[in-house]
Amino acid sequence: QVTLRESGPALVKPTQTLTLTCTFSGFSLSSSGMCVSWIRQPPGKALEWLARIDWDDDKFYSTSLKTRLTISKDTSKNQVVLTMTNMDPVDTATYYCARIWGAYNSGNHLAFDYWGQGTLVTVSS
Amino acid sequence: DIVMTQTPLSSPVTLGQPASISCRSSQSLLHGDGNTYLSWLQQRPGQPPRLLIYKISNRFSGVPDRFSGTGAGTDFTLKISRVEAEDVGIYYCMQATQFPHTFGQGTKLEIK
Repeated sequence: QVTLRESGPALVKPTQTLTLTCTFSGFSLSSSGMCVSWIRQPPGKALEWLARIDWDDDKFYSTSLKTRLTISKDTSKNQVVLTMTNMDPVDTATYYCARIWGAYNSGNHLAFDYWGQGTLVTVSS
Repeated sequence: DIVMTQTPLSSPVTLGQPASISCRSSQSLLHGDGNTYLSWLQQRPGQPPRLLIYKISNRFSGVPDRFSGTGAGTDFTLKISRVEAEDVGIYYCMQATQFPHTFGQGTKLEIK
């Protein structure tokens, strides 16, 4: 059974750095083709893709946010960590992690098949 | 970045009637490996998104067959053959052909 769970602070102050952890089970990030992404959703708004880390440690970022984001993994702990620097009230959102089979030329579906429940992060002084 | 544009943004539908949502990408989603990585997700109120369709037309495990996807290149459609009450929510298309992956702005399906 595949599960993902996001954890981190519910409230951060402007200019602070946010650190979120995705803890997963039911799959291994060392399996070829396996990837985990972070996606966020401001209240009442659309989904926004943030970052992805792959089984081979390749990393990809949102164009508009790449200077502020860092994604990393700890395969032994089944965790993926996202840090976002210089938080602003516009970053208030529910942050999701999701699994994706992400290898091209391999028959993978390249779609987010399992999601965590999300964690709401509010940025306010 | 590839821009994904959905229409309509809101779709009131009568129970038992069909519904259709369009998604257009600013560039072709055909990847060099011959696949088109366009997927559809459903987000029910208060829930995380749920995968419905991947690679244009493949239903994910457990998805009812009243959901279907079609399209090619830059134009894609999600169809619900007969809308049920549990289909209420927001539907998103998403492309993973290129980085960064991008989502459409969402289409709200509601019952008349």
